[in-house]
Amino acid sequence: QQQVKQSPQSLIVQKGGISIINCAYENTAFDYFPWYQQFPGKGPALLIAIRPDVSEKKEGRFTISFNKSAKQFSLHIMDSQPGDSATYFCAASADRGSTLGRLYFGRGTQLTVWP
Amino acid sequence: SAVISQKPSRDICQRGTSLTIQCQVDSQVTMMFWYRQQPGQSLTLIATANQGSEATYESGFVIDKFPISRPNLTFSTLTVSNMSPEDSSIYLCSVENRGEWTEAFFGQGTRLTVV
Repeated sequence: QQQVKQSPQSLIVQKGGISIINCAYENTAFDYFPWYQQFPGKGPALLIAIRPDVSEKKEGRFTISFNKSAKQFSLHIMDSQPGDSATYFCAASADRGSTLGRLYFGRGTQLTVWP
Repeated sequence: SAVISQKPSRDICQRGTSLTIQCQVDSQVTMMFWYRQQPGQSLTLIATANQGSEATYESGFVIDKFPISRPNLTFSTLTVSNMSPEDSSIYLCSVENRGEWTEAFFGQGTRLTVV
């Protein structure tokens, strides 16, 4: 059973546009929601993360929007650049040392930003 | 942060043979994680390796197929045994920094092709 569902599987955006990737979860014990970015030939790297006590977190051009009641969160990339072309993974965990403390990853979204 | 060196970076293997993947971390860590990343699929946790004890395998993964060694706090190996084309995938080593935020650090991955 997929603990975290991610869409779309692939996304093509024009340079300067907004890229939006969505994730949904079921387990209400999750309290930590990171996004990872992976370039070809590299391992994933943490991009930005949020806890459910806030509805939004922004770091530069990257913003996480979090809807606790809907159990959904999304990554918005503003002013998308060709250098943002990568695979993005959302993830979730119950981060307080419980048995759910491991990270559960979505299937990934391959983002291509055309110049 | 943690720097993880993984090797080999890629290999092409004959079916029925075995491949051992090495993972070296630049700091001592209690737990090391092995993931499989199949094309278009999520990062799937294979097992968690603790130093001095047997690895803990996730559902669908068994020790006979994926034996793991953890001889010290900075090193681990994953062996893919009796390989078939279905084992073709990227295998990733990971460690986690569990502080206020859990951040996973990944090696660059081993791209395995079984022919």
